[in-house]
Amino acid sequence: DAMVIQNPRYQVTQFGKPVTLSCSQTLNHNVMYWYQQKSSQAPKLLFHYYDKDFNNEADTPDNFQSRRPNTSFCFLDIRSPGLGDAAMYLCATSREGDSEQYFGPGTRLTVT
Amino acid sequence: RKEVEQDPGPFNVPEGATVAFNCTYSNSASQSFFWYRQDCRKEPKLLMSVYSSGNEDGRFTAQLNRASQYISLLIRDSKLSDSATYLCVLYTGGFKTIFGAGTRLFVKA
Repeated sequence: DAMVIQNPRYQVTQFGKPVTLSCSQTLNHNVMYWYQQKSSQAPKLLFHYYDKDFNNEADTPDNFQSRRPNTSFCFLDIRSPGLGDAAMYLCATSREGDSEQYFGPGTRLTVT
Repeated sequence: RKEVEQDPGPFNVPEGATVAFNCTYSNSASQSFFWYRQDCRKEPKLLMSVYSSGNEDGRFTAQLNRASQYISLLIRDSKLSDSATYLCVLYTGGFKTIFGAGTRLFVKA
């Protein structure tokens, strides 16, 4: 029973071509997070939603945007992908901010 | 100084060995602590929460030392399936969760 689903699992986009990654959850959790993880590095939090309240990390580039149209879905938009944006993008959910986070399988983004 | 520091390893151990990982953190206001496991090219999954009193789950024991600002993970009787990257994770409040870069473990037959 998938709890956090990410689509697509692999995404190839061209330099500068907008791309959208999606995440859905069946856990009815309040909080949804987007992380960027590059090879051999820690996941880096980009932003999170608590319900409809959006919080952007201070060092998240403006190139990254997010939408959460309802409790179940959250999207990551990269407006103009650069080569440095190639990474694994992980979506996670939690019931509250201090509780266990459940991760989706990730979307591996390649920028050509 | 990084907010969370872990020895990247890799730790190469034979099956049945006991192995310990440490993680140090700089934010004394950190509230909750976790160990996550991440297999190669997969998502992180919660291994265990870490409490001041220490906690044990089968072969795994986690400890928290607030005074010295570190947490530890001990794995006894290592299995091949324990091979993974172990991530130290801190919750510092305000939905701020900080991941360490992880310690890689290889268990060999």
